[in-house]
Formats: sequence, C-alpha cells, structure tokens
Amino acid sequence: AQSVTQPDIHITVSEGASLELRCNYSYGATPYLFWYVQSPGQGLQLLLKYFSGDTLVQGIKGFEAEFKRSQSSFNLRKPSVHWSDAAEYFCAMLMFSGGYNKLIFGAGTRLAVHP
Amino acid sequence: DAGVIQSPRHEVTEMGQEVTLRCKLISGHNSLFWYRQTMMRGLELLIYFNNNVPIDDSGMPEDRFSAKMPNASFSTLKIQPSEPRDSAVYFCASSFQDRYTDTQYFGPGTRLTVL
Repeated sequence: AQSVTQPDIHITVSEGASLELRCNYSYGATPYLFWYVQSPGQGLQLLLKYFSGDTLVQGIKGFEAEFKRSQSSFNLRKPSVHWSDAAEYFCAMLMFSGGYNKLIFGAGTRLAVHP
Repeated sequence: DAGVIQSPRHEVTEMGQEVTLRCKLISGHNSLFWYRQTMMRGLELLIYFNNNVPIDDSGMPEDRFSAKMPNASFSTLKIQPSEPRDSAVYFCASSFQDRYTDTQYFGPGTRLTVL
C-alpha cells in the first residue's frame, strides 16, 4: 500500500546542532515528494520538493533533502538549526489515485530546539 | 504575490449553528483541496475540486458538510448543523494540476471551535 512514514514523532536538538528528519515512502512508481513545515498556529509552508533529476534538493530556510530510491527515503537535513526552526515537519508524497494527484502525508515530526 | 487566503482565521460557535469557511485560491490555479487537521487524525482530505467541479468528496465526513466552488477563485465549506466533534483546523490548498508537476500551497487555516 502507498504510504509515507515519519518514524520520529518528536525530536529535540540544541541550537546550532545539525538536524536530520527521516521520511520513508512506499509507492510502486517514481514518487513526487515534498517537505512542509507548520509553525504553531500557522498553515503548512512548502520547504522543498523532488520531482526528478538531481536527488539532492535545496529548499528554503537552509534546508535540503536527499532522495534515495534504494532506501525509499527522503530525509530532510539542516547543518545548523536555529531556534525559529521549532515547528512540526510533514513529509508528503504525491500519488495518482482516483483519477487525480492526491497528497499523502506522514504523521509529522515535532521539532523542539533548545538554546 | 498573494497566497491562499482563508477566512475567518478563528471561529467559535455553538452546537447546532451553521458555519461557513471561505477560501480564495492563488490566481491561475485550477485545483482546490479542503483538509481538516486534528490531533487524533492528523491531516485528512475532505474534498477536491478541479476546474470548479468536485472530483472527490469521499472524505467529507457526513451530509452536514458541504462544499461549493461558485467560481474559479473562491470556495466555501459549510457545516450545518455544527457539532463539537467538528472542532479542528480547516485548511484549503490550491494547485495547478497538470500531468508533470503539481504542488499544493496551503492557506493559514481556520481554527473552528464548536461549543
């Protein structure tokens, strides 16, 4: 079955530390993948997306993600976390179902940043 | 460039009352999605419109929920009568769907509380 899994519900890092948020997908074809961020009380903001081509994708706010087909993963990374990065992060996959492209979300990873 | 606009941002109402949520798409987009977000269920797709036509309403929980798209840039989600279990954050998202690329952009959401 097509799905997106984010294994970590909560992650806490210190400000300035590196960050990696995990995302695994299950899909029979080449996936289109996204990372969104949701700050408290806000909507979902698109960080980056992968459709094809270079497997290392650069996004906004200094984030990047790497598509690894062999591992069915699309992990989000940032070399140095800022306190303002505290938010919930959603990995999502575009799936063609019912005649249209449907966005399938992971359960989210809540990031806390310690000063 | 204006993003997706939702109103109201917050709505508090009493059980049994009618609630109408509004969404304005990004100019040029042809697809509109309504989602509901709760702690228990995460993000759920309620309904999807393409070119003003409802394509998939399988996520609409009950007949109390209805959605319309009277023109290419505007949609409403109505709950009548509202119940406390409808309390959630409701997002709309718009995209330009074509075969090769499809990215959803989310509005800020409407936080609905039904007392």
